[in-house]
Amino acid sequence: GENVEQHPSTLSVQEGDSAVIKCTYSDSASNYFPWYKQELGKRPQLIIDIRSNVGEKKDQRIAVTLNKTAKHFSLHITETQPEDSAVYFCAASPHDYKLSFGAGTTVTVRA
Amino acid sequence: DAGITQSPRHKVTETGTPVTLRCHQTENHRYMYWYRQDPGHGLRLIHYSYGVKDTDKGEVSDGYSVSRSKTEDFLLTLESATSSQTSVYFCAIKASLAGGYEQYFGPGTRLTVT
Repeated sequence: GENVEQHPSTLSVQEGDSAVIKCTYSDSASNYFPWYKQELGKRPQLIIDIRSNVGEKKDQRIAVTLNKTAKHFSLHITETQPEDSAVYFCAASPHDYKLSFGAGTTVTVRA
Repeated sequence: DAGITQSPRHKVTETGTPVTLRCHQTENHRYMYWYRQDPGHGLRLIHYSYGVKDTDKGEVSDGYSVSRSKTEDFLLTLESATSSQTSVYFCAIKASLAGGYEQYFGPGTRLTVT
């Protein structure tokens, strides 16, 4: 099955700086790559996703890039704010109905 | 919240007892999922359903069974709970969109097995 690795496991950044989380996947058939944000005690929530026919996607301060050849994708958060502190999960989908998740990255934004 | 609820939200049970968690959705989605979340492991798929009475195993299905007798309800049963099944359990649905799909999660159930 699909294996997704996520790095780093923890990330501490100064408010206003950028944060980058990287994921690799194993199944070249994967064609959908969502990112979820989970605040403490809450459910994971989809924040952005990218499909394999696109190399980059932006939504305000968040962007995701995809390199299909290297089988990796990344989440970029610019101008970080305290409310960006959370656990972030990447996922990959080789099928139309099933996601494989990375282990998560705990992001802490220091004021 | 995509109309997903889970019950109970918290449960403490003893080793060896059966436990059933319920996921309920109001938007007639075909696919439903059960995940468990543990530190350092992310979200791991236990079982999923692609229709009434149609279910399949995920990556960590041992010790769990599921049932789906109605579109809106997906039940997860721990036949004989063990301490290793202490976890947070999330239900999810797949919402089909033009050009793809998105998966939405319920609020979660925190289960403690003592």
